Amino acid sequence: QSALTQPPSVSAAPGQKVTISCSGSTSSIGNNYVSWYQQVPGTAPKLLIYDTYKRPSGIPDRIYGSKFGTSATLGITGLQTGDEADYYCGTWDSSLSAQVFGGGTRLTVL
Amino acid sequence: QVQLVESGGGVVQPGRSLRLSCVASGFTFSSSAMHWVRQTPGKGLEWVAVISDDGSRKYYADSVKGRFTISRDISKNTLYLQMNSLRPDDTAVYHCARAEYRVINLANWGQGALVTVSS
Repeated sequence: QSALTQPPSVSAAPGQKVTISCSGSTSSIGNNYVSWYQQVPGTAPKLLIYDTYKRPSGIPDRIYGSKFGTSATLGITGLQTGDEADYYCGTWDSSLSAQVFGGGTRLTVL
Repeated sequence: QVQLVESGGGVVQPGRSLRLSCVASGFTFSSSAMHWVRQTPGKGLEWVAVISDDGSRKYYADSVKGRFTISRDISKNTLYLQMNSLRPDDTAVYHCARAEYRVINLANWGQGALVTVSS
């Protein structure tokens, strides 16, 4: 069981918006930054969001991150078929002294 | 550009040892914290260990604490994971990853090395 909780799957039509939630605790998301990763099956994960809401160079602004309390959210607008992938949230858990990941969410663009 | 190339994976019997290597290029290796993360085929990401940029601080997942050791050789731009007392549930693809901005942000990942623990 993962330290961070994500929905197993989400889906939406091309052009629509989707959000993926990531629920943690005070010692994890509540007091630390959050990062988000995209993984297309068969490839290595790719950093999408760092420091909760910042985008690395090359990541479009239709991808965004936010946080409220002990939960974080990844949002993707203007969905494209190329967005189909698994998405993971990650953060540091201060009580565990460990990096933790969510269980992953499979995004399907219908 | 940043490149991380893992090696050292293979098939090993339960209880035996294996050492993974990750050769880094395209960035100043001595300035980045480095992680190992593993993934069982078809499953999610599981963090394994992290080492600070200067090698002075190391943290481990409970599942590997006392059995795995993370280390780095700045002169060789290489990250290591020494895995002892291997168990079948250690079977996974092991990725090395470079942290950027903060230690929790894994900005670059290697393609991974497959470790299979089986008799």
